[in-house]
Amino acid sequence: DTGVSQDPRHKITKRGQNVTFRCDPISEHNRLYWYRQTLGQGPEFLTYFQNEAQLEKSRLLSDRFSAERPKGSFSTLEIQRTEQGDSAMYLCASSLLPYEQYFGPGTRLTVT
Amino acid sequence: SQQGEEDPQALSIQEGENATMNCSYKTSINNLQWYRQNSGRGLVHLILIRSNEREKHSGRLRVTLDTSKKSSSLLITASRAADTASYFCATGGDHGSGNTGKLIFGQGTTLQVKP
Repeated sequence: DTGVSQDPRHKITKRGQNVTFRCDPISEHNRLYWYRQTLGQGPEFLTYFQNEAQLEKSRLLSDRFSAERPKGSFSTLEIQRTEQGDSAMYLCASSLLPYEQYFGPGTRLTVT
Repeated sequence: SQQGEEDPQALSIQEGENATMNCSYKTSINNLQWYRQNSGRGLVHLILIRSNEREKHSGRLRVTLDTSKKSSSLLITASRAADTASYFCATGGDHGSGNTGKLIFGQGTTLQVKP
């Protein structure tokens, strides 16, 4: 399967714990995006990488959130000191050409 | 922030009927895209319409764009149970002029097609 993969698919954590999600983009795609989607809403942009450089961060990405893309390959999104409001689906997408983003299946986070 | 409103928020039809979803957006655009999301899954790109196009077809999909009204519609003809999903319009995706290509999505329409 050469699509975008995300791990884990589901994560349940207790409030205050740290969680880390991983995204493996399509191998030749140099652009990588993270989005967050809450129930009944469309995805909202969180952050963008071009190769290993993080070039844009949304104001939604508080200080508790950090994302990396070492060596321009896979990316990780870490949330520290999780809050119940962090419960959402976290989607990763990769792109090579304009207007073509390929989405992974998402990681559903539940904070109890 | 969300780009705009989608209407209706939910739609339930019988198999074989047509489904129409509408999307309004706030800013000027170069293009508009429609995505489908099956329950609890990632998004799949359906169709892109450029700002200088008024209508575009792809299989059973027909998209219209009215830039003067800042609105678009997605028509699915002869719907099937497998079309049951959420549908989102999105703007952005440009890579030029320093744009990052991020997408801005509407709130979506949930479509249920009953067999």
